[in-house]
Amino acid sequence: AQSVTQLDSHVSVSEGTPVLLRCNYSSSYSPSLFWYVQHPNKGLQLLLKYTSAATLVKGINGFEAEFKKSETSFHLTKPSAHMSDAAEYFCVAYTGNQFYFGTGTSLTVIP
Amino acid sequence: DTGVSQNPRHKITKRGQNVTFRCDPISEHNRLYWYRQTLGQGPEFLTYFQNEAQLEKSRLLSDRFSAERPKGSFSTLEIQRTEQGDSAMYLCASSLGRGASPLHFGNGTRLTVT
Repeated sequence: AQSVTQLDSHVSVSEGTPVLLRCNYSSSYSPSLFWYVQHPNKGLQLLLKYTSAATLVKGINGFEAEFKKSETSFHLTKPSAHMSDAAEYFCVAYTGNQFYFGTGTSLTVIP
Repeated sequence: DTGVSQNPRHKITKRGQNVTFRCDPISEHNRLYWYRQTLGQGPEFLTYFQNEAQLEKSRLLSDRFSAERPKGSFSTLEIQRTEQGDSAMYLCASSLGRGASPLHFGNGTRLTVT
């Protein structure tokens, strides 16, 4: 069975400082992995996806994520946080025609 | 690509009433998913369609919930005899359905049962 663990339910950073949102997956084989962002009262928007090509994936709005099989991790990073990055972030794994969602990380950006 | 469209955006209903939501997916997408999301939680899978066929339904889904996608295009989700616990955001998503094609979400329908 597949599961996705987002290690932090809340992350707070100052504007202009780096962002790190952590995600671990469990699977007997490497799934496809995604990061989505959700702003209040909106649907989820795709930030980036990993599908067994390059392990470092670049997404929209300056975000990127690195797939590390040895650590079963897919952490999301951004060098410099912007106020507009404040939102909920979901790590998602896809295997067997199913999408498995993490419980989300709420990112607060302090001016 | 006009995106996934959901209607209505908000629905307030009294307990015991029936409600129906509509989802229009991206036109070339053959997979359509319904999720439910409560405050502070991630999306919870309800059901999905491949074209007009409903391929999977969550075991947690009450018999009061039913979904259709009659012509393989738009989909409806009906909740009969609503309960206060049904209050949530209902999200629709579509995908190309080829391998790990990502989900494209609509903005959801927020249901409040009073």
